[in-house]
Amino acid sequence: EADIYQTPRYLVIGTGKKITLECSQTMGHDKMYWYQQDPGMELHLIHYSYGVNSTEKGDLSSESTVSRIRTEHFPLTLESARPSHTSQYLCASSDDPDRGGRDTEAFFGQGTRLTVV
Amino acid sequence: GNSVTQMEGPVTLSEEAFLTINCTYTATGYPSLFWYVQYPGEGLQLLLKATKADDKGSNKGFEATYRKETTSFHLEKGSVQVSDSAVYFCALSGAVSARQLTFGSGTQLTVLP
Repeated sequence: EADIYQTPRYLVIGTGKKITLECSQTMGHDKMYWYQQDPGMELHLIHYSYGVNSTEKGDLSSESTVSRIRTEHFPLTLESARPSHTSQYLCASSDDPDRGGRDTEAFFGQGTRLTVV
Repeated sequence: GNSVTQMEGPVTLSEEAFLTINCTYTATGYPSLFWYVQYPGEGLQLLLKATKADDKGSNKGFEATYRKETTSFHLEKGSVQVSDSAVYFCALSGAVSARQLTFGSGTQLTVLP
């Protein structure tokens, strides 16, 4: 069973509020990812990290920001939420085969469904 | 760059029918290939994987074979159940350097009793 957790599972918030979506993993994985999933199901990579103090933007431009101060923690922040940010956000982690990790499969959290009203 | 092309959905089958979901990929080198499943309201779970050519991944009656010559990784199951209703994603992990996973667009499967 994957040990990666996202909180909250569901969040309804007003426009203009600042929010942080939490993601933690206990597997010691170097790589972590944030995906945004639209209603058509497709996954869009918005941020990823190779390790502590490493963050990169993904394929889909996003107004969110991330930080990686600890290996296990990869929070995503929206400074000012807007209705266009309404979506499902999925966090994932994986070993890094470039550093001799055992495998490259990703483990996913259960997701945070964000609704901005 | 890497890409994954997945069979368009949605797919609707009767219980006990045969399932095939096509997946082809473009990548340099030798990527690892995966099928993930997403049940309603949940995150993605790894269903099966294959890490080299001709490997067959299998789990819960699902199978997929890594075909390098056709750059394909089609998902099959001989007899689907209502509980298999979910979204299925094909994915690959970096051929040259596993900088990130690349996912297909997902296929919604509905199995009717």
